[in-house]
Amino acid sequence: DADVTQTPRNRITKTGKRIMLECSQTKGHDRMYWYRQDPGLGLQLIYYSFDVKDINKGEISDGYSVSRQAQAKFSLSLESAIPNQTALYFCATSAGTATTDTQYFGPGTRLTVL
Amino acid sequence: RKEVEQDPGPFNVPEGATVAFNCTYSNSASQSFFWYRQDCRKEPKLLMSVYSSGNEDGRFTAQLNRASQYISLLIRDSKLSDSATYLCVVNESNDYKLSFGAGTTVTVRA
Repeated sequence: DADVTQTPRNRITKTGKRIMLECSQTKGHDRMYWYRQDPGLGLQLIYYSFDVKDINKGEISDGYSVSRQAQAKFSLSLESAIPNQTALYFCATSAGTATTDTQYFGPGTRLTVL
Repeated sequence: RKEVEQDPGPFNVPEGATVAFNCTYSNSASQSFFWYRQDCRKEPKLLMSVYSSGNEDGRFTAQLNRASQYISLLIRDSKLSDSATYLCVVNESNDYKLSFGAGTTVTVRA
């Protein structure tokens, strides 16, 4: 079984709808991240959490919110989806030191907002 | 200006060839460096860390040039399975957040 899972894997929604993307991990890591990937761009950090009580905005947090329900679960919400939020979304976890940190990614959620 | 810049390629090479490409980073205080591999529409996975002295992992060699602020990846004896996008990743401030380049695409042909 995969260590980092994401649901749903694909989602098509309409402008203005609320949508939640979920991430679960069995690696026991404290740190979790949400990224989006657009063609021709690097992964952009949306939000990150270093433990259940620590949640921080990334470089592109506007229009998104998150919830860290437990060490193993970190969900991303789009309160009112818009077409330019169409992208591939990845959740990741990590646990190393800053210089040796490896991030482990989930399989991604492909979101289309019409 | 992007923190991490890469030549997007694609680099099209025959099997057995050597291919090399660079990545530049803008923050001279950057602490640690990595190459990740991403197959089409799949999640990125760590390929290797990049150390100051340079390091090798099988057919892959990574180098860091702090003076010129770039890292490089060289793939020897390319295999078809090396076809992927290679992401240059930099930890700019030692705070567990990573900056990703947009990736360099390598296609190895038979």
